[in-house]
Amino acid sequence: DQQVKQNSPSLSVQEGRISILNCDYTNSMFDYFLWYKKYPAEGPTFLISISSIKDKNEDGRFTVFLNKSAKHLSLHIVPSQPGDSAVYFCAASPTQGGSEKLVFGKGTKLTVNP
Amino acid sequence: DAGVTQSPTHLIKTRGQHVTLRCSPISGHKSVSWYQQVLGQGPQFIFQYYEKEERGRGNFPDRFSARQFPNYSSELNVNALLLGDSALYLCASSFVGGDIQYFGAGTRLSVL
Repeated sequence: DQQVKQNSPSLSVQEGRISILNCDYTNSMFDYFLWYKKYPAEGPTFLISISSIKDKNEDGRFTVFLNKSAKHLSLHIVPSQPGDSAVYFCAASPTQGGSEKLVFGKGTKLTVNP
Repeated sequence: DAGVTQSPTHLIKTRGQHVTLRCSPISGHKSVSWYQQVLGQGPQFIFQYYEKEERGRGNFPDRFSARQFPNYSSELNVNALLLGDSALYLCASSFVGGDIQYFGAGTRLSVL
């Protein structure tokens, strides 16, 4: 059974607009959440993270929102740029306060059109 | 600074063979984790090592084993290869066990 779900396999947005990537999880023991992006032939690159004690974390154009009651998180990219085109993975860690033994979703392929 | 390096980049094996994959963590990082990514899926956790001790193991058969050396590099070994072991094997390192993990580019294993 999938504990971390990214229900949209793909998303296409125009350059300059907002990209919103969604992620749902089922395990209430998850304590720390991360977003990674992956370009072809490269390993996943860490983007941004959020602890379960927060509901929002911002880093430049990237903001992650966490709704614990709904077991839902989202990644907002504003403004989107063509270089953001990649596969984005949502990951969760069952380790309190840490990033270990990550459980990944299947990923969402983002395409930003010029 | 060099990132996480993995070798080899690509590997082709036949069923029943044995394979060893290698990983060098970022300098100063003491924790190494291994993940398997099958086509169309997200990475799946296999092992974590910290200070040469196994810290965690995912839901993989005993054919999978790993170890970490005194210089913090690591090897992943898979015995009696099956077709289903064909995947991208990713290594990630972190400074300590619970810190952010940084991934290498992976080893693409094809089992024929």
